[in-house]
Amino acid sequence: SQQGEEDPQALSIQEGENATMNCSYKTSINNLQWYRQNSGRGLVHLILIRSNEREKHSGRLRVTLDTSKKSSSLLITASRAADTASYFCATDHTGTASKLTFGTGTRLQVTL
Amino acid sequence: GAVVSQHPSWVICKSGTSVKIECRSLDFQATTMFWYRQFPKQSLMLMATSNEGSKATYEQGVEKDKFLINHASLTLSTLTVTSAHPEDSSFYICSAMGLAGPTYEQYFGPGTRLTVT
Repeated sequence: SQQGEEDPQALSIQEGENATMNCSYKTSINNLQWYRQNSGRGLVHLILIRSNEREKHSGRLRVTLDTSKKSSSLLITASRAADTASYFCATDHTGTASKLTFGTGTRLQVTL
Repeated sequence: GAVVSQHPSWVICKSGTSVKIECRSLDFQATTMFWYRQFPKQSLMLMATSNEGSKATYEQGVEKDKFLINHASLTLSTLTVTSAHPEDSSFYICSAMGLAGPTYEQYFGPGTRLTVT
């Protein structure tokens, strides 16, 4: 399977703390994206990082990409209860016609 | 802009019946749509790629005769689960490729929850 792996599988933190989740993939990518999914809902696109980029910021989100290690991390700073959701990385790979391969996901629980 | 809808949002059907799920791009034209399946607490798995006016391309292990995909127009793709079984119960999500600025991006629908009894 080409599916990427994410760790941790589950993460529980208190409001105000930072949350870091990691994604590893197997083959060379064009882009890597992070999505959020609230329980039973569709996907919300968070951020896209291209293979020639190393770091990207969007509000409280910081994404890094290390193509030599085939890995990416998503940092959510100053977490809020509303950040509780599952987070998925998704990669598109050279020669696969824009198909996305999703990671296994991290379930984040932010408690008050 | 770039809104994708799915209908129905949830459906319950009996074993042996067929169910059709629609995926529409509301404000853009999508030559390519994708269908994913997601089991509880698991990730999304790509089922097939749907191109307008041509046959869908199915991923390995997905039965094309069971999951019929039709992409009849630039704004509509349908997934029909034929002779549904309880193991087909899942969350089905579509996405549509649309032009966003200089690049194409995938926009996801809200999903359809299928329960087969």
